[in-house]
Amino acid sequence: DSGVTQTPKHLITATGQRVTLRCSPRSGDLSVYWYQQSLDQGLQFLIQYYNGEERAKGNILERFSAQQFPDLHSELNLSSLELGDSALYFCASSVSGSGNNEQFFGPGTRLTVL
Amino acid sequence: KNEVEQSPQNLTAQEGEFITINCSYSVGISALHWLQQHPGGGIVSLFMLSSGKKKHGRLIATINIQEKHSSLHITASHPRDSAVYICAVGGTYKYIFGTGTRLKVLA
Repeated sequence: DSGVTQTPKHLITATGQRVTLRCSPRSGDLSVYWYQQSLDQGLQFLIQYYNGEERAKGNILERFSAQQFPDLHSELNLSSLELGDSALYFCASSVSGSGNNEQFFGPGTRLTVL
Repeated sequence: KNEVEQSPQNLTAQEGEFITINCSYSVGISALHWLQQHPGGGIVSLFMLSSGKKKHGRLIATINIQEKHSSLHITASHPRDSAVYICAVGGTYKYIFGTGTRLKVLA
């Protein structure tokens, strides 16, 4: 158990819908990262937050947005869903936001868009 | 060309064999991480390296900063080692991932 929690574990929805994925970081970690893992691709970095502020952006679509709240939990919002958005979405946390800090991964949310 | 390349992509071994997975990168890094992803999907951090060598049980990870290359070795492999092994390099703020090596160890 990494100490990072993600809800829900599974999500099945239809094209065009909007969903929210939630992540709670390990106690004491200030930074949260979101990753997408599709069947035909490896892990792709989406976005990073540090202490409530966006720090780095990766290959995140405009239909996707995220935020980190004062209690440090984070939410990833996916809207106008398409079939290709079906993937595993991982959240990870680390103490600070630098690349030489170990990241601890949550169990992931499996999103299926029908 | 990907910034982080892993080889091989797939590997099948017999139980007890010595296994090596390689990772080469082309960007400047602050640290290199080896991750393990089990068939159920969960990701576990195995090692974080910025120089030299680390050992944990049957796993050994090495890094050569000058050559921009890292290796993950598994000694006396076991079927429970079957997983996807992912190399990730730590940049300023984020990880850049390799495509992973799918390892299957047969009993």
